[in-house]
Amino acid sequence: EAGVTQSPTHLIKTRGQQATLRCSPISGHTSVYWYQQALGLGLQFLLWYDEGEERNRGNFPPRFSGRQFPNYSSELNVNALELEDSALYLCASSFIWGAGYTFGSGTRLTVV
Amino acid sequence: SQQGEEDPQALSIQEGENATMNCSYKTSINNLQWYRQNSGRGLVHLILIRSNEREKHSGRLRVTLDTSKKSSSLLITASRAADTASYFCATDGSGNTGKLIFGQGTTLQVKP
Repeated sequence: EAGVTQSPTHLIKTRGQQATLRCSPISGHTSVYWYQQALGLGLQFLLWYDEGEERNRGNFPPRFSGRQFPNYSSELNVNALELEDSALYLCASSFIWGAGYTFGSGTRLTVV
Repeated sequence: SQQGEEDPQALSIQEGENATMNCSYKTSINNLQWYRQNSGRGLVHLILIRSNEREKHSGRLRVTLDTSKKSSSLLITASRAADTASYFCATDGSGNTGKLIFGQGTTLQVKP
């Protein structure tokens, strides 16, 4: 069984640009979660998608957005990049809420 | 703020010794999970313990949960160099929010 896959592995962007990060969940998992792991701030919940709908979002500005496609894969978009957006972005999937997550290896975003 | 707080922040032991990490949280939970992260990569789910459980085992891992004290511990027995990683506890709070709240993590170094 393939795990959660994220692309790209690394991404370097200039301040003010937009970044798009992608995630493919484990087959059969309908929920996708996004987390940001910034240095010194720990793992912060960003977004939860289930069955194509945004179910919940964390305390992040609206320039962090995303979507979930009919095949349950997901995309995270970060607009107007700021230096402090530099972080490891982790995607996870689960079959149902309340079960353990399976995480991808992450996308390391560097904003210069 | 992060609900989970872990103690110690860093732990260094010799191979073969046991490692104990503690986690405290602030609100009611449905379950508590432990994850491992190697060198800034994705997280690996280790074990999930439900709020009505007091102890759970998985291989060399033993997790306890004390809901009256809002605390949990992870014990790794007979540690190996490959156990070197950061360990995080995560709680789901109450309700179906899709959000896990992670502690700051314990960095474990196992010396060969």
